[in-house]
Formats: sequence, C-alpha cells, structure tokens
Amino acid sequence: QLQLQESGPGLVKPSETLSLTCTVSGGSISDSNYYWGWIRQPPGRGLEWIGSIFYSGRTFYNPSLRSRLTISVDTSKNHFSLKLSSVTAADTAVYYCARLGPYFRSIDLWGQGTLVTVSS
Amino acid sequence: QSALTQPASVSGSPGQSITISCTGTSSDVGGYDYVSWYQQHPGKAPKVMIYDVSNRPSGVSNRFSGSKSGNTASLTISGLLAEDEADYYCASYTRSSTLVFGGGTKLTVL
Repeated sequence: QLQLQESGPGLVKPSETLSLTCTVSGGSISDSNYYWGWIRQPPGRGLEWIGSIFYSGRTFYNPSLRSRLTISVDTSKNHFSLKLSSVTAADTAVYYCARLGPYFRSIDLWGQGTLVTVSS
Repeated sequence: QSALTQPASVSGSPGQSITISCTGTSSDVGGYDYVSWYQQHPGKAPKVMIYDVSNRPSGVSNRFSGSKSGNTASLTISGLLAEDEADYYCASYTRSSTLVFGGGTKLTVL
C-alpha cells in the first residue's frame, strides 16, 4: 500500500528557506500515471496548492509562489522535495505532500501533513 | 490565480440533502471537467469524494454526488449523517496548467 511521509524542520526563521521532503513508500515515484505535489493549509484556513512535479522533473508552480519555489524529484531515492525561500509568518502552515492524477483531476493520496512554523 | 468561490458555511438536519456550490471562471471550472471535491475532518488530511465533476472513487458513499453547469460546480450530499460534518473544498484544473482550490465550506449537521 503506497504511503507518503513528509519530513523536515518544524521551525524556520523569517527570511530563511523552508525545506521539506516527501518519501514515497510501497510504490514507485516513477509511475507515469501520476504527478506528485505539495499543498499547504495555514492554521484555521483553507487549502492552497503549492506546486506539482512529474517523475521526469517537469514542474508546475502556483504563480503566487513561483519566484520563491523549487520542487524537485529524486527517483533513485523515491522522494520529492520542496524549497520555499525568503519565508515570512504568512508561510506558517501544515504542509501536505500528495499524489495527483493527470490534469490534477484527483488528489487520491495524502501524507499526514507536517506543521511548519516561521518564527524567530 | 483566484480561489474558487464557495459558501463559508451550510447546514442541514440528519436525513436531509444539502448542496455546496463552487464558482470559478471559463479558465478553470467552466473550461474543464476536472473538478474535484475533498472532505476534511479536523486535524486530518483531506479525502477525495468526487473527481472529474461527478465520479466517485471506490469506497465513497453514493450519498455524495457532483455536477457542473457553466462555471459553477456543485456537491450534493443526500441523507445527511452526523459523520458528514466536516469542511469541504472544491478544486479545479486551470488553463495555466495549475490547480486552484475553493475557499472551503463548513458543513454543520444540526
């Protein structure tokens, strides 16, 4: 049974870079039927799509985050990663990694989520 | 990209039906049949309830149904149960090859 698990620091200082990794277990990240992505949810607020990546490395980014965002994939380690630079308190959120279908038509698998707090 | 528009809250009594709307534009909801709906209970990850406007994943109750007309998609839950109380989010693929979510709707079962 395929599972996703986020990992990374739970506390990041303002102006620094937030880095998270999502490890895929029980299946291959190179499955051409799926995309992989990041979604976040600030405390008490709604969901925001951050971006997605295909195993080939093709990326799709939220325009509002594009200038600060890098999503990458490492097929040898079966994981993909998120880097968000120049963070502020507004980037405090639960960050989910997820599996998405073609055209992002369905997000059928989610990680448990990890809270990242931006604070000095 | 602007978030899709959902009502902040809806409510219904057990056994009743409710409908949650999700309004976008011709660049997202109206332009593609790639609308999905997610249920989220407090402290939990979201769960897909509907995809491709009206398709239910295996294991999702047939009390959940989806539809679309023009730039507005809808989620209907019939025979409300207490366990349906949750937040619901719509999402749509966009012309820019991105994904946009709705602001979310809190469903209260009275």
